[in-house]
Amino acid sequence: EAQVTQNPRYLITVTGKKLTVTCSQNMNHEYMSWYRQDPGLGLRQIYYSMNVEVTDKGDVPEGYKVSRKEKRNFPLILESPSPNQTSLYFCASSLGQQYTDTQYFGPGTRLTVL
Amino acid sequence: AQKITQTQPGMFVQEKEAVTLDCTYDTSDPSYGLFWYKQPSSGEMIFLIYQGSYDQQNATEGRYSLNFQKARKSANLVISASQLGDSAMYFCAMREFIGAGGTSYGKLTFGQGTILTVHP
Repeated sequence: EAQVTQNPRYLITVTGKKLTVTCSQNMNHEYMSWYRQDPGLGLRQIYYSMNVEVTDKGDVPEGYKVSRKEKRNFPLILESPSPNQTSLYFCASSLGQQYTDTQYFGPGTRLTVL
Repeated sequence: AQKITQTQPGMFVQEKEAVTLDCTYDTSDPSYGLFWYKQPSSGEMIFLIYQGSYDQQNATEGRYSLNFQKARKSANLVISASQLGDSAMYFCAMREFIGAGGTSYGKLTFGQGTILTVHP
């Protein structure tokens, strides 16, 4: 089944404890992206990747890192999480970066930073 | 300025009736894609339907259709024969062209969403 998977689905952590949210897609998509969803602010892009080893900042990249060593994986790293990073996180992928390409989303990771 | 505007925070519809969820967008680019996603209470984001800016006909996918009025910059989602399982948050989103000097970099810009409640 074609899908985007994320792990973990739920995470409660404490301020400053490094964490990684994994994202994997099995559709051979070139474009992958991370979004966060917050009440009143909607969905905002954190980072994106147009292909292996090509990543760049989105609208809200502060406090996050990403890597794209393999085409299928695009982990999101929070090196020193803070409470303002409590959010619902989505990984998404699409065939390419053009406006005709549909982005498919993972199931989401609900992160709470205490 | 908001690029995607969904003016209906909440909508109610009777089961088996049709409902229209409004979306207007703002872009100066002639090339763009419009998408609708459904987010049930479980939280996942489910793709429903796509309309390209050059598409002559309105997109349809099963019970979903997109009423695309380019001159008005509107892309309303129509759900026919509503079902209880249609109760969810619905998001309109736009993806703009990546060209020389483009700044969108393939991101989706989302509206604030509309909560749809289907009554039995």
